[in-house]
Amino acid sequence: QVQIHQWGAGLLKPSETLSLTCNVSGGSFTGYYWNWIRQAPGKGLEWIGEINHSGTTNYNPSLKSRVTMSLDTSRDHFSLKLTSVTVADTAVYYCVRGRAIYFQNWGQGTLVSVSS
Amino acid sequence: DIQMTQSPSSVSASVGDRVTITCRASQDINAWLAWYQQKPGKAPQVLIYAASSLLSGVPSRFSGSQSGTEFNLTISGLQPEDFATYYCQQAHTFPRTFGGGTTVEIK
Repeated sequence: QVQIHQWGAGLLKPSETLSLTCNVSGGSFTGYYWNWIRQAPGKGLEWIGEINHSGTTNYNPSLKSRVTMSLDTSRDHFSLKLTSVTVADTAVYYCVRGRAIYFQNWGQGTLVSVSS
Repeated sequence: DIQMTQSPSSVSASVGDRVTITCRASQDINAWLAWYQQKPGKAPQVLIYAASSLLSGVPSRFSGSQSGTEFNLTISGLQPEDFATYYCQQAHTFPRTFGGGTTVEIK
């Protein structure tokens, strides 16, 4: 049974860098895609991007210039950095293990608030 | 980006009712569509993938269908635990995109 635990700073000021990390236990990195998805308060879901076990990434063009995803298979971690945050980046951020065609295992979510 | 348009945005129903939610893609996505259920304060959970394939452990009252670029999620015999928000998601093209969500409320 795969478990995903995520953590990171929950309160940021505008222009700072969002940094979140997920730990994966009970599952393999190989053959899966490691995604970040966010949900603004009371809103729908927005896909941020994915990284596979080889380190190949695909990012949402709307965020691509500010996003970096990385994978550390030796520590079973994968991470998200989002630079130059604004109030519009306030959301619950989920790390998600996915198959090619669906998002299978979700972390518990981290609320990141951006406020001056 | 592929736009996913879900309807209705909300529906009121009673236990035992049959509910159908529709998701329309702005272009052909073959059958690369998944459905998710989200309860308040929780992460979404996948129900259906490839338009009509039920994930292991998902009750059989949930079903998915496709006609061209229009996809349906049907709940046959609504149960109390089914009151939630449902999202569709296309997996045909990057960026992955979601529908706006449909909230199933208790009548």
